[in-house]
Formats: sequence, C-alpha cells, structure tokens
Amino acid sequence: DTGVSQDPRHKITKRGQNVTFRCDPISEHNRLYWYRQTLGQGPEFLTYFQNEAQLEKSRLLSDRFSAERPKGSFSTLEIQRTEQGDSAMYLCASSLGQGEEKLFFGSGTQLSVL
Amino acid sequence: LAKTTQPISMDSYEGQEVNITCSHNNIATNDYITWYQQFPSQGPRFIIQGYKTKVTNEVASLFIPADRKSSTLSLPRVSLSDTAVYYCLVGEDNTDKLIFGTGTRLQVFP
Repeated sequence: DTGVSQDPRHKITKRGQNVTFRCDPISEHNRLYWYRQTLGQGPEFLTYFQNEAQLEKSRLLSDRFSAERPKGSFSTLEIQRTEQGDSAMYLCASSLGQGEEKLFFGSGTQLSVL
Repeated sequence: LAKTTQPISMDSYEGQEVNITCSHNNIATNDYITWYQQFPSQGPRFIIQGYKTKVTNEVASLFIPADRKSSTLSLPRVSLSDTAVYYCLVGEDNTDKLIFGTGTRLQVFP
C-alpha cells in the first residue's frame, strides 16, 4: 500500500533561507491538499490542486509561499525567506476527488526555523 | 467566516461510549462531513464520513441532523488507544476549501 509520502520528514533551517517540501500522493488521486499545523492547533487549509490546477489558495498563504503540481502527480511547497512563524508541521493529503472527499494524509514535514 | 467548533477536551474511561459534537454552521450544501483521528507527530487518519442521518462502520457511528449544521461522532466502548485528538472536516460554503474543526482532545483512563 503506497500511501501519501512526504519528504523530508524534518527540516531545520535558519531564518531567511528558502525551503522546499515534496508530497507524493496516492497514484490515482486527482486532488492534493496542503495544510499547516502548529502545536496544539488543528490543521489549517493552505491550498489544493485538482490535477495540475491550483484551485484554491488560503489568505493565510503569503507571497512567500508557492505550491506547484506540475504534472498532476507529486507536488512541492516552497517557502521563501523563512520566518520563525513558519515553524509548523506541513501536511499533505490526497483524495480521489469524486464527490466524497475522503482525504488520506501523509506523515507531514516538521519545519523548524531558527 | 463561521468557525467549525468542537469541545476542547473530553475525558472518559475504558469501555464507555464517547460522543463528540462538531458545530459547522457554514457547511457547503453538497459536501460530506468527515471525522479524523490524530496522534502526536502523525497525520490525521480517517474514521468515518457521512452526508446526512446516520452512518456506522466498524469503529464509529456518525449522526447528522436534518439541517446538517452539526454532527456527532460516537465511539462505542473506548479503549486507552483511543486517546487522541479528533477533528471534524467539512467543506466551506461557496469555496472548495475543506476546513478542520478546532479539535477535541480525548483522554481515556483505565
């Protein structure tokens, strides 16, 4: 069973650096979601893709954040000029996108900005 | 923007039934209501999903009233391993966003 995989599992970076995370969804899933979760809080919606098209983007997502899903398969989330407030768990999920939205989540990438 | 709200925490003992309610006034008309379980340092895991009335699977039941502005997750006979945070997830009206509730931390005692 190849579920949703995220890489890296952990990332430590210095403030001002750029970081990129990767998500590989379940192969036949059309939809891919990114969420951010800080300690003690629920996951916050960031953005989602239907195949390669980015259809929704949260107002939480500043201009420093960009996400891509170039061929409708894997996705990347890049954060430029990281700030300490970006420290969080970044979760990726995928779904079939056929009416019922049953999301399958990866284990997340834990980002620490020093 | 109405939040999707849940009780912050609940305590229970092993073997008891636990009911967790989620209030989602702004739910999208055609979207399902889904519940997830999350353990520390892991992604949320699917528990159950429904659109209206009642749904039951091997681990839980989900009750949804006719107005769909709330839902109740029922966990029968909880065990220590059910100690986790539980989230509802609903579609936001007029968008394609799927929004998590505020989460309920369930602590099960022996």
